[in-house]
Amino acid sequence: QVQLVQSGAEVKKPGASVKVSCKVSGYTLTELSMHWVRQAPGKGLEWMGGFDPEDGETIYAQKFQGRVTMTEDTSTDTAYMELSSLRSEDTAVYYCATMSGTDAFDIWGQGTMVTVSS
Amino acid sequence: DIQMTQSPSSVSASVGDRVTITCRASQGISSWLAWYQQKPGKAPKLLIYAASSLQSGVPSRFSGSGSGTDFTLTISSLQPEDFATYYCQQANSFPRTFGGGTKVEIK
Repeated sequence: QVQLVQSGAEVKKPGASVKVSCKVSGYTLTELSMHWVRQAPGKGLEWMGGFDPEDGETIYAQKFQGRVTMTEDTSTDTAYMELSSLRSEDTAVYYCATMSGTDAFDIWGQGTMVTVSS
Repeated sequence: DIQMTQSPSSVSASVGDRVTITCRASQGISSWLAWYQQKPGKAPKLLIYAASSLQSGVPSRFSGSGSGTDFTLTISSLQPEDFATYYCQQANSFPRTFGGGTKVEIK
């Protein structure tokens, strides 16, 4: 059974970068299609990007293009999401989630709170 | 991008009530739709995929229907643990997009 365990909460200043990790257990990362979704306080869910198994590439939401980088370390089965040039509007809980063969997000990490404040 | 519109944004209901939430896509997505339940402070949980398929372990009081642009999530008999926020999400194309959410509250 797949489990995703994310890194702890972060507090960053505007303009800084943050890197959130997502450790996979129960499967190897190469068997999964990993995605990232965020949720601002009191708001809905927003897809940021992830691995498209049809194209074999990582794709990003246009909103985050140029500011987000999603990487994977297959030696440790850990996925990473780095967001740069942080602003207050990036304050949110960031989730990693696996996309199943049915294209739904079936397994989610516990979330990582990122607070951007001067 | 495909826009997903949920209604209502909130609903007040009692234990045992039948609750229906609708989701409309801005263009046809066949049956590529998922429903999630989210409780405060927790990650979303997948309930329904492919519009009407129940995720393993999800109670049978949850059901989904629809295709094309109009979809429905139904809770046949609301239980205390069902008070939460529900989101639809299209899985037809990238970028993946979610509905704005429907909060099911206790009447």
